Amino acid sequence: NAGVTQTPKFRVLKTGQSMTLLCAQDMNHEYMYWYRQDPGMGLRLIHYSVGEGTTAKGEVPDGYNVSRLKKQNFLLGLESAAPSQTSVYFCASMTSGSGIPYEQYFGPGTRLTVT
Amino acid sequence: AQSVTQLGSHVSVSEGALVLLRCNYSSSVPPYLFWYVQYPNQGLQLLLKYTTGATLVKGINGFEAEFKKSETSFHLTKPSAHMSDAAEYFCAVTLGSSNTGKLIFGQGTTLQVKP
Repeated sequence: NAGVTQTPKFRVLKTGQSMTLLCAQDMNHEYMYWYRQDPGMGLRLIHYSVGEGTTAKGEVPDGYNVSRLKKQNFLLGLESAAPSQTSVYFCASMTSGSGIPYEQYFGPGTRLTVT
Repeated sequence: AQSVTQLGSHVSVSEGALVLLRCNYSSSVPPYLFWYVQYPNQGLQLLLKYTTGATLVKGINGFEAEFKKSETSFHLTKPSAHMSDAAEYFCAVTLGSSNTGKLIFGQGTTLQVKP
């Protein structure tokens, strides 16, 4: 099993450009998450999905959109990148279980710089 | 609203010394608590978690944590630090009744281990 993979690993964008980050998991997990990590702020949840075809906003959703067309994939889009979106982005997935939290499995991250 | 505070953004110990990383949480409902570790340029890996039952939880790599409801704390300890423990550590909380698994992370603590 590859676990959780993220594409690309690094990217540099100019202000106003758009891009899509891809997250894929091969563990048949129902739940998937996108976080951003900034120095001194830990990880903050951007969007999440509890199943194919569903998405919901997290703590810091502004400027991002997501889609979960297939159970194994969770896409994060930036329509018009801003320097404030310079960050490291992590995807995670987790199996579902009524009321019982399981381990979130994290991808290796995507380092995005917006100039 | 839930929140997590990690006391000390940087902790430095000598190899073989006790490791103590502090975490306090705020939650109006019974929390589930987690410690994650992040090695340089990698994703996060679960060290241990508390859901219900025994308040002293043992994790991987010799780490353990104790849930103290009266102190709203979940401090991480290891009796003897090893050079390989140098990493960033994150405490996280989720609602015990949550069916989405959303995590709230602390700011992170960087552990330095000196020879």
